[in-house]
Amino acid sequence: GNSVTQMEGPVTLSEEAFLTINCTYTATGYPSLFWYVQYPGEGLQLLLKATKADDKGSNKGFEATYRKETTSFHLEKGSVQVSDSAVYFCALSESDYKLSFGAGTTVTVRA
Amino acid sequence: DTGVSQNPRHKITKRGQNVTFRCDPISEHNRLYWYRQTLGQGPEFLTYFQNEAQLEKSRLLSDRFSAERPKGSFSTLEIQRTEQGDSAMYLCASSPRRAGSTDTQYFGPGTRLTVL
Repeated sequence: GNSVTQMEGPVTLSEEAFLTINCTYTATGYPSLFWYVQYPGEGLQLLLKATKADDKGSNKGFEATYRKETTSFHLEKGSVQVSDSAVYFCALSESDYKLSFGAGTTVTVRA
Repeated sequence: DTGVSQNPRHKITKRGQNVTFRCDPISEHNRLYWYRQTLGQGPEFLTYFQNEAQLEKSRLLSDRFSAERPKGSFSTLEIQRTEQGDSAMYLCASSPRRAGSTDTQYFGPGTRLTVL
């Protein structure tokens, strides 16, 4: 079946540091890939997505590239802020309705 | 859009009681999804509706769980004879349905269930 494995946390960084959260997936076909973010006390929000190989999703300074050859969709941000402190979830969808999520990575950015 | 809303936000119940949660999707979104999230894990798919039709149910959805979307708008998720293992965050999401695309799912804030 489909599954997503993402980097275990928690991750603690200083402001302006570089952030990478690794995500790899297993799928039988060609899924769409997503990063969702959950800020403290809020619901899940879509951060970015990519629907085919070599696509790059980007939003709010975050980027992730769909790498079919390594079955990966790593999330990166060049300079994090305190407001980026959240739980980040990698997810895939191989059907057009069901999302399969990773376990989430908690990121804390210190001033 | 006012976003997806869920009620109640928190529910504490005793083992063996029945509980019902409500989800109001974004208006004009014809797809509605239910997920369950336990502590330290990502959400797991439970079921989804297209309009009023329930099209898919996960194996996670035991016989004690039932979901409805009677008029294709709001949805309810009922758990009968609750067990401590049902304690979790229950998330609802909605999306428009466009042919040939994987639509973004918009999530509500969730209902946190605690079974004592």
